[in-house]
Amino acid sequence: GQNIDQPTEMTATEGAIVQINCTYQTSGFNGLFWYQQHAGEAPTFLSYNVLDGLEEKGRFSSFLSRSKGYSYLLLKELQMKDSASYLCAVMDSNYQLIWGAGTKLIIKP
Amino acid sequence: EADIYQTPRYLVIGTGKKITLECSQTMGHDKMYWYQQDPGMELHLIHYSYGVNSTEKGDLSSESTVSRIRTEHFPLTLESARPSHTSQYLCASSTGTGDTGELFFGEGSRLTVL
Repeated sequence: GQNIDQPTEMTATEGAIVQINCTYQTSGFNGLFWYQQHAGEAPTFLSYNVLDGLEEKGRFSSFLSRSKGYSYLLLKELQMKDSASYLCAVMDSNYQLIWGAGTKLIIKP
Repeated sequence: EADIYQTPRYLVIGTGKKITLECSQTMGHDKMYWYQQDPGMELHLIHYSYGVNSTEKGDLSSESTVSRIRTEHFPLTLESARPSHTSQYLCASSTGTGDTGELFFGEGSRLTVL
C-alpha cells in the first residue's frame, strides 16, 4: 500500500530552527509537496521537490532523497505565526496526491 | 493570491437531506478536486475533474456526485446526508500543466449532519 509518515506533533521555541521529517512509500514518484495549514483554514503551498537536494525559499527549505523515500521541511528563525500543521504529500505514478496526516507544530515564546 | 471560493462555509443539516456544496474558481484552471478532511487526519480525495464534462471518483466513496459543466464551477452534491458525512470539505484547483503543479484550496465547507 501507499503510505506517508510524519510526526504527529512537534514543539519548538520562537527564534529557533525545526526540522519536520516525512518518509514515504508510494507507487512511483512524481514529486513531493509541503503545505502549511493553519487551524480552521485551507492548506497553502510551501514547496515542491522532484529532484534530490535542497530547495531554499526564505526561512523555509525542503530536502528530498528519492533513494531513501525521505524528505524534510526546515523552518528557520521561527515565528509565532509558524504555528500550524505541515502536510507532506507525494504525487504517485498516476499523478494522484497521497497525503500524510500532517505534523502539528507548536511554537512557544 | 488564489481565487477559489466555497459556499457555504458552515452548514448544519438533518439526516436524509440533500445538499450541494459550491466551488468556483476564477483562475481558468482545468483541474479541480474535492477533498474530505477530518481533524488531525490526512486529506482524502473524493472526486476530481480534468476539464469540462470530465469527472472521476477518488479513493473515498462518500455517496456524493459532482458535475463540471463549466470550467470555473465544480459543485459537490450529497443526495442523502448522514452523520458519517460530518467533516470538512475542501475544494482545490490546479493548472494541470505537465500534470504537476501546486493546488490552490478554497477556505472549506464545514458540514455537520445531525
